[in-house]
Amino acid sequence: DAGITQSPRHKVTETGTPVTLRCHQTENHRYMYWYRQDPGHGLRLIHYSYGVKDTDKGEVSDGYSVSRSKTEDFLLTLESATSSQTSVYFCAISDREFRQFFGPGTRLTVL
Amino acid sequence: AQKVTQAQTEISVVEKEDVTLDCVYETRDTTYYLFWYKQPPSGELVFLIRRNSFDEQNEISGRYSWNFQKSTSSFNFTITASQVVDSAVYFCALSEAGTGNQFYFGTGTSLTVIP
Repeated sequence: DAGITQSPRHKVTETGTPVTLRCHQTENHRYMYWYRQDPGHGLRLIHYSYGVKDTDKGEVSDGYSVSRSKTEDFLLTLESATSSQTSVYFCAISDREFRQFFGPGTRLTVL
Repeated sequence: AQKVTQAQTEISVVEKEDVTLDCVYETRDTTYYLFWYKQPPSGELVFLIRRNSFDEQNEISGRYSWNFQKSTSSFNFTITASQVVDSAVYFCALSEAGTGNQFYFGTGTSLTVIP
């Protein structure tokens, strides 16, 4: 158990509203990641962080921003949600052996 | 270009059959890592194995075995004597050294084991 939690676990929102998803880890890992999972696409990296206030873009970063003000928390924000952002979002950490472990996921529906 | 290709979208086997899930990767790095993850119907992602590019030894863990071949850029996963509990989506992933440990996932293979 890598001690990763995500909140909320489920969210339904309307197009144009801001949404923030939270990832929390308990084991002080330096690297954290946000992915989205969609049918036919597997998991795609949105953003990742390599330390407090250090973040970088992934493959599908448009429409998303992230922040990491504390080691344990990594926030993903959809500034103005669109229906194309309906997805399952996974947070992950990377351990010292370069393995990634995932949180339970957040199912987001944008109407 | 897709860095990790899982050409098999869906596979169905009868319980106790052996099944091999294919994974082909593409990288120019000499140092990289390969992974397999399992996603059962409950939705969580479960780490199964990590292999580094310098270790081509095959690995066996119970009914699971992995065949890593650099010559063909493949990292295939075999389940022996499949069981209904093996029904899941399986993902292969690649991580290249020096890229912030970014993972590149394949699109997954959905395995159904029929009792």
